Amino acid sequence: QVQLQESGPGLVKPSRTLSLTCTVSGGSITSGEFYWSWIRQPPGKGLEWIGYISYTGSTHYNPSLKSRVVISEDTSKNQFSLNLSSVTAADTGVYYCARQSVTLIVGYWGQGALVTVSS
Amino acid sequence: EIVMTQSPATVSVSPGERATLSCRVSQSVGSNLAWYQQKPGQAPRLLIFDASTRATGVPARFSGSGSGTEFTLTISSLQSEDFAVYYCQQYNNWPMYIFGQGTKVEIK
Repeated sequence: QVQLQESGPGLVKPSRTLSLTCTVSGGSITSGEFYWSWIRQPPGKGLEWIGYISYTGSTHYNPSLKSRVVISEDTSKNQFSLNLSSVTAADTGVYYCARQSVTLIVGYWGQGALVTVSS
Repeated sequence: EIVMTQSPATVSVSPGERATLSCRVSQSVGSNLAWYQQKPGQAPRLLIFDASTRATGVPARFSGSGSGTEFTLTISSLQSEDFAVYYCQQYNNWPMYIFGQGTKVEIK
């Protein structure tokens, strides 16, 4: 059974970079045709897909966030990470890491990490 | 740009009654649509994929139907644990990462 766990600071100052890491257990991020994703949810709102890194290491980002997002991986630790630069209060929310199938169905989710952007 | 519209935004249902949720897509996605359930304070959970296939462990009272641009999630007899927000997601057309805005199922 695949499990995902987000970790990182819960408070980030405006204009700084938000950094989160997702640790995956129960399966390797380089095996199988899966996409390792970040999805966020502002308080009281719906889901917004941020981007993914694929099992081949290629990345794809939401165009609305593309200029500020970098998703990377550390295969030795079976982790993938999110860096979101130049954050504002609008970036406040719960950030989920997830595993998507080759059809981009989200089959597994982390529990979520609340990140607040505030000075 | 593909647009997904869920209706209603909120539906009030008594326990034991049926709930019917709608998801409309601005262009045909075949059967490539999924439904997710999210309870307060929890991550979403996959319920239905390929429009009508229940994910592992999902009770039979949840059923999905539809194809093309019109889809429905039906909960046949609402249990207390079913009160939540439900999202649809299409995965046929790029951008394949868009979720609907959600329908909240609340207790009447």
